[in-house]
Amino acid sequence: GAVVSQHPSRVICKSGTSVKIECRSLDFQATTMFWYRQFPKQSLMLMATSNEGSKATYEQGVEKDKFLINHASLTLSTLTVTSAHPEDSSFYICSASGPTGWQGARIQYFGAGTRLSVL
Amino acid sequence: KNEVEQSPQNLTAQEGEFITINCSYSVGISALHWLQQHPGGGIVSLFMLSSGKKKHGRLIATINIQEKHSSLHITASHPRDSAVYICAVRWAVGSGGSNYKLTFGKGTLLTVNP
Repeated sequence: GAVVSQHPSRVICKSGTSVKIECRSLDFQATTMFWYRQFPKQSLMLMATSNEGSKATYEQGVEKDKFLINHASLTLSTLTVTSAHPEDSSFYICSASGPTGWQGARIQYFGAGTRLSVL
Repeated sequence: KNEVEQSPQNLTAQEGEFITINCSYSVGISALHWLQQHPGGGIVSLFMLSSGKKKHGRLIATINIQEKHSSLHITASHPRDSAVYICAVRWAVGSGGSNYKLTFGKGTLLTVNP
């Protein structure tokens, strides 16, 4: 089946630094990628949706200057948490779906997630 | 907004028991996902279904579109099934029918004791 690889799985950083999380589709073209955030014991919350080559669409309340999303190719999207602060500590998960007409088009494939801890 | 409710929130079972987790939603959907999230956080997609029933090994997922309800069953449960099971519904937002959103339930924490 389709695989989404997310890296790193865990990152600890100092307050004020920026952290980049990568999300790669390994065996399919990810025309759309989704970035989610999950707080302990909470549901996944969609942060933004990005289509390859286009600017990401952010959900209400998500700061686009804080969470920079780049989807420059059909297999890679990145989320950069800029000037991270302790309140940004969370579990970040990416997900990808393939092109319309592809057999797996309606399925979202999830990365394993990145646990960010900001000290 | 699509309200997704899962029940129960927590479920403890003995190894070998038959498990049922329920999911209901409020707005018509194009598809429903059942996901499994292990303690480390990684998410695995178990099923995507839009009608009827699907089976994979000891897992069975059913959906009733008219009643806006889905169930996930685990037969002969095993401690390795212990995880959070999440229901997520895919539904159209706005006009045009080309934009979709995935709304997640809060999950059901399953613990299977040996």
